[in-house]
Amino acid sequence: SYVLTQPPSVSVAPGQTARITCGGNNIGSKSVHWYQQKPGQAPVLVVYDDSDRPSGIPERFSGSNSGNTATLTISRVEAGDEADYYCQVWDSSSDWVFGGGTKLTVL
Amino acid sequence: QITLKESGPTLVKPTQTLTLTCTFSGFSLSTSGVGVGWIRQPPGKALEWLALIYWDDDKRYSPSLKSRLTITKDTSKNQVVLTMTNMDPVDTATYYCAHVDTAMATGFDYWGQGTLVTVSS
Repeated sequence: SYVLTQPPSVSVAPGQTARITCGGNNIGSKSVHWYQQKPGQAPVLVVYDDSDRPSGIPERFSGSNSGNTATLTISRVEAGDEADYYCQVWDSSSDWVFGGGTKLTVL
Repeated sequence: QITLKESGPTLVKPTQTLTLTCTFSGFSLSTSGVGVGWIRQPPGKALEWLALIYWDDDKRYSPSLKSRLTITKDTSKNQVVLTMTNMDPVDTATYYCAHVDTAMATGFDYWGQGTLVTVSS
């Protein structure tokens, strides 16, 4: 089965840049999606197909994907960005796979 | 405007079968590329994909739970039903349904609010 590995936590000061990684075997060949989930709420898609943003998502959210690592980058971090973030891919052997999630703390 | 809403029991006993219904609007599950999936999240834990049904009735299941899951659709009612057999306390979780359009490669772009299911005697 295909496994996605995320760091459990990332901390960043307001106004700085947060980078959340998602590791997987040759993940660069797959389409990666990222979700933001705030406490008590359903996940929200923030980046799809590696680097595209749904309408309504600020340009501060961006993504990249190469080799064995995909990265969600949040520029000019705000207090409201504090949440759990999950990466996801579709894999031919496992179908839909989520990473273990990363808790973003805004210091 | 796409919306999805989960419904079903909030409490089930161990060994019972759970049946959840996802009622949606704003799209048709007969449109090429469209699917509805189920994802769950135990309290304080990560998201876990369970199952997905596509417009052409192709059904996909999590390999680890495949033997316990069944997903069906009723296109005329705009509903997708998930059944999970032999429930156990470890299955206590919030269960979400979500829309996917494989033609757009967007992942799960719309989610229901989720429904908390507790497994306890």
